[in-house]
Amino acid sequence: DAGVIQSPRHEVTEMGQEVTLRCKPISGHDYLFWYRQTMMRGLELLIYFNNNVPIDDSGMPEDRFSAKMPNASFSTLKIQPSEPRDSAVYFCASSLGTGGYNEQFFGPGTRLTVL
Amino acid sequence: GDSVTQMEGPVTLSEEAFLTINCTYTATGYPSLFWYVQYPGEGLQLLLKATKADDKGSNKGFEATYRKETTSFHLEKGSVQVSDSAVYFCALRTFSGNTPLVFGKGTRLSVIA
Repeated sequence: DAGVIQSPRHEVTEMGQEVTLRCKPISGHDYLFWYRQTMMRGLELLIYFNNNVPIDDSGMPEDRFSAKMPNASFSTLKIQPSEPRDSAVYFCASSLGTGGYNEQFFGPGTRLTVL
Repeated sequence: GDSVTQMEGPVTLSEEAFLTINCTYTATGYPSLFWYVQYPGEGLQLLLKATKADDKGSNKGFEATYRKETTSFHLEKGSVQVSDSAVYFCALRTFSGNTPLVFGKGTRLSVIA
């Protein structure tokens, strides 16, 4: 099992540029989560999907952030335009259901640096 | 709303020392409780879990007991190793509705030889 796959692993960009982060969940999982991790704020849930439909995007910091899940095997998180304060590690996770027993599997993360 | 409170780190221990990382929670209903671990440069991975009161989760020498009366799920290990250096996250998920995990802020553990 390949696990959750994220790309790129590292991204360095300049302020104002568009950034697209990609995630492939574990096959068969019906929930997908995007998180952001910083030293100051810890781990924050940005948005999550169920069967490709966004369920809760209340964690998305502002309109510059958008996420899509066009099919069960692919999701993107886009930042446009990017700002230095967006620098963080972004994690994607997936699970089969969200019932109390269900484990979330995390990808290795994308480390984003906005200069 | 549901929340998890962990002891603040960093925690620095010598090899073979006893480890306790405190975790308490607030939740409606009866949640499942989890400990996740994040090794340097990696994503989070499940360390152990407990789904009902008095359950004990265990893995890799780590243990945690679901204490409903004190709403706690403290992580313990009898003898830590340098390889246990990581960030540890306590989390909960309730059975009611389709809700994602609620994480604590994480506790960084450094074990020195």
